[in-house]
Amino acid sequence: RKEVEQDPGPFNVPEGATVAFNCTYSNSASQSFFWYRQDCRKEPKLLMSVYSSGNEDGRFTAQLNRASQYISLLIRDSKLSDSATYLCAVNRGSSASKIIFGSGTRLSIRP
Amino acid sequence: GAVVSQHPSRVICKSGTSVKIECRSLDFQATTMFWYRQFPKQSLMLMATSNEGSKATYEQGVEKDKFLINHASLTLSTLTVTSAHPEDSSFYICSATDRGYYAQYFGPGTRLTVT
Repeated sequence: RKEVEQDPGPFNVPEGATVAFNCTYSNSASQSFFWYRQDCRKEPKLLMSVYSSGNEDGRFTAQLNRASQYISLLIRDSKLSDSATYLCAVNRGSSASKIIFGSGTRLSIRP
Repeated sequence: GAVVSQHPSRVICKSGTSVKIECRSLDFQATTMFWYRQFPKQSLMLMATSNEGSKATYEQGVEKDKFLINHASLTLSTLTVTSAHPEDSSFYICSATDRGYYAQYFGPGTRLTVT
């Protein structure tokens, strides 16, 4: 089983729609969780950290479910510019700073 | 804040030559830097963890004699791909953590093509 798993997609949704991705992780000792965005042929950029209580940043909401070992990302009122690959990242339990990335979920927003 | 630069952004070299890639944290001190490789349409694969002043820790399956890592200061880590072959062609990305905060900030990547 992979340490971090994501549905590769692609998710193809109309502009203005709400879309959600999940990401599961295998190491119950993991403590740090993140969502990154990666555009084609570019480096990943940190979108948001995921806190135990859940957190929101504008149209983006991240949630953590420790019992089921998954994190989620919800995008409301999607924009064309949201089209990208979204990577979840989880620290490897025994090493606080070593982060393992999922393979990414491709999102395409259509006009 | 949290800017990471990488140089060069693109390099084409002949098979058998060595290529050095630099990764710098510009506005923070990075005790730990990471090197990743990404093949087209695939995920980021962690190659090694680089700590300032000590030997790098390589992931399983990554040849330490082929991918030489030096973390000489709190703002600079280098990756040297020795005796490069066409199968080493890939997108190499470094990242760095800001002390006390575990999110990683990525450099813009280096696209290596070995002919």
